[in-house]
Amino acid sequence: QTVVTQEPSLSVSPGGTVTLTCGLSSGSVSINYPSWYQQTPGQPPRTLIYHTNIRSSGVPDRFSGSILGNKAALTITGAQADDESDYYCVLQMGGGPWVFGGGTKLTVL
Amino acid sequence: EVQLVESGGGLVQPGGSLRLCCVASGFTFSDSWMTWVRQAPGKGLEWVANINQDGSEKRYVDSVRDRFTISRDNAKTSLCLQMNSLRVEDTAVYYCARPPPRAVSPADDWGQGTLVTVSS
Repeated sequence: QTVVTQEPSLSVSPGGTVTLTCGLSSGSVSINYPSWYQQTPGQPPRTLIYHTNIRSSGVPDRFSGSILGNKAALTITGAQADDESDYYCVLQMGGGPWVFGGGTKLTVL
Repeated sequence: EVQLVESGGGLVQPGGSLRLCCVASGFTFSDSWMTWVRQAPGKGLEWVANINQDGSEKRYVDSVRDRFTISRDNAKTSLCLQMNSLRVEDTAVYYCARPPPRAVSPADDWGQGTLVTVSS
């Protein structure tokens, strides 16, 4: 069974830059349409990035998506206090089902 | 403005059934794939199912295949999820979502979600 991997937790200083990654237990993610979502407790997810690097409507350009080596990456530059959230990536498997990663809890401190 | 409003959640006993629906507005519903995503309490997101524009193509996560059925009514701009043989592990908030163009992601816009609790 394919597993989508994310860092369980990361931290960043206010104003700093942090990169979250999303990998596959086997294979490359570049063909799997990686997307990224932000979620705060009690709220529905908010779409940040889809198709690797396309920002969803209204998402500031300090959020960017890319491929780093064999992984998808979400980079947040100029981190702000309200970026403290859970972040999820998702990948499409074999043109069919979508599989989410376990999420990364980002702390801004 | 895209709006997705889910309904139908509630408390049901194991083995029971529930039908969730989502009414969409603010976009051309019949042009869009649609998706259900769920989130168990304190857990991460899980893709459940999606359906193409005319309902001829449906996909499911393995854990719900043969128990859940996704459907749509384009005339009513409505997406539904019929859930049968419910299990305790199906307890979750269920989100209706609209993918971006060409469905290169399971979701771009999200509803607020509806809570399903399976418990005796």
